[in-house]
Amino acid sequence: DGGITQSPKYLFRKEGQNVTLSCEQNLNHDAMYWYRQDPGQGLRLIYYSQIVNDFQKGDIAEGYSVSREKKESFPLTVTSAQKNPTAFYLCASTAGGRGDTQYFGPGTRLTVL
Amino acid sequence: GQQLNQSPQSMFIQEGEDVSMNCTSSSIFNTWLWYKQDPGEGPVLLIALYKAGELTSNGRLTAQFGITRKDSFLNISASIPSDVGIYFCAGQGQGTYKYIFGTGTRLKVLA
Repeated sequence: DGGITQSPKYLFRKEGQNVTLSCEQNLNHDAMYWYRQDPGQGLRLIYYSQIVNDFQKGDIAEGYSVSREKKESFPLTVTSAQKNPTAFYLCASTAGGRGDTQYFGPGTRLTVL
Repeated sequence: GQQLNQSPQSMFIQEGEDVSMNCTSSSIFNTWLWYKQDPGEGPVLLIALYKAGELTSNGRLTAQFGITRKDSFLNISASIPSDVGIYFCAGQGQGTYKYIFGTGTRLKVLA
């Protein structure tokens, strides 16, 4: 099946540790995105990538880092500098970026203890 | 970051009733998307709109791209219990890869 996979579904980490969230897509999409969702809130853009080896900061990039070494993969690292990392993280992709439909993965719930 | 104004924030309706929700923006969009999200899951695309004035249906769902390109509407007819969830709108402006999301409408259907 074509789609976007995120792993793991639930992730627990101790405060002060970096953690990397996985996002893989087999849709052959060029653009990929990371969003953060807090309870009762909408989606806020963390980072996005239009093509391989290129990415741009979104609205809330502080404390996060990404890489885009392969077209199908866009991992997100939540660093210890992120002050409030507990949230639901969603990965998405679009075929070409502009004017294209955006599809989402199932999400990863990160809890920092 | 910018967010769209989505209303209402929440709705409690009886099964069988029709539902209407809308999103408004201060800027012009070229694309409007509507999603439904169940708790703990990723948003699922319902309807995509690409042209001002466009009216598109998906089963009991109908969405419209506003003529001014600054708003969009989603209607659900004859609601059923499985319509429960959070509905989000998203818009994309010209010349950008970024999408802006509404704050969501929480729908609860009473049987």
